[in-house]
Amino acid sequence: DQQVKQNSPSLSVQEGRISILNCDYTNSMFDYFLWYKKYPAEGPTFLISISSIKDKNEDGRFTVFLNKSAKHLSLHIVPSQPGDSAVYFCAASDTNAGGTSYGKLTFGQGTILTVHP
Amino acid sequence: DSGVTQTPKHLITATGQRVTLRCSPRSGDLSVYWYQQSLDQGLQFLIQYYNGEERAKGNILERFSAQQFPDLHSELNLSSLELGDSALYFCASSVPIRGFNYGYTFGSGTRLTVV
Repeated sequence: DQQVKQNSPSLSVQEGRISILNCDYTNSMFDYFLWYKKYPAEGPTFLISISSIKDKNEDGRFTVFLNKSAKHLSLHIVPSQPGDSAVYFCAASDTNAGGTSYGKLTFGQGTILTVHP
Repeated sequence: DSGVTQTPKHLITATGQRVTLRCSPRSGDLSVYWYQQSLDQGLQFLIQYYNGEERAKGNILERFSAQQFPDLHSELNLSSLELGDSALYFCASSVPIRGFNYGYTFGSGTRLTVV
């Protein structure tokens, strides 16, 4: 049961253009969402997050949009740079969960972003 | 350097064997999480420890176990290894804010290959 899905395994973008990475979720209890970036031979690093009380959060070149009714979020990178080439993971959490789900992040499968010079 | 240290970085072992993966969290972080990333899969949550106690459990196989020691380092034990256990194993740590861990800091992972 894949509760967080990233349906595009890969995305190729020209330097300077916008990169849009998408993520869908099925669990309506998720109320906090995060994006992580992963380079080869390294662990994932936190990029940006958004609470379900917001529909947009910006941090420099990175903006995350949340559409709760569609259970969809997206990460926009503008402008894209070659150094952004990495695997991007979407993650979600139910901050009200207790018991065996406390603190657990559910990750998508990841999207490989390649930014061409 | 994220501050989360995982050893070893690579491990090759035979089916049926047992291995131990080690994780040292960032200084001050009380929670440790273990995740498995298999080929073409996302990060699958295995287990969480908080200050020495098991706090949350995911789809962790009975052949796998973990513990967190008084110095807060954690070990993931994998036994009776099968070919399908070959994967990247990540450890992450965090400090709870208002009772929730808003973001993890991951280690660089241990790549386990079972032959």
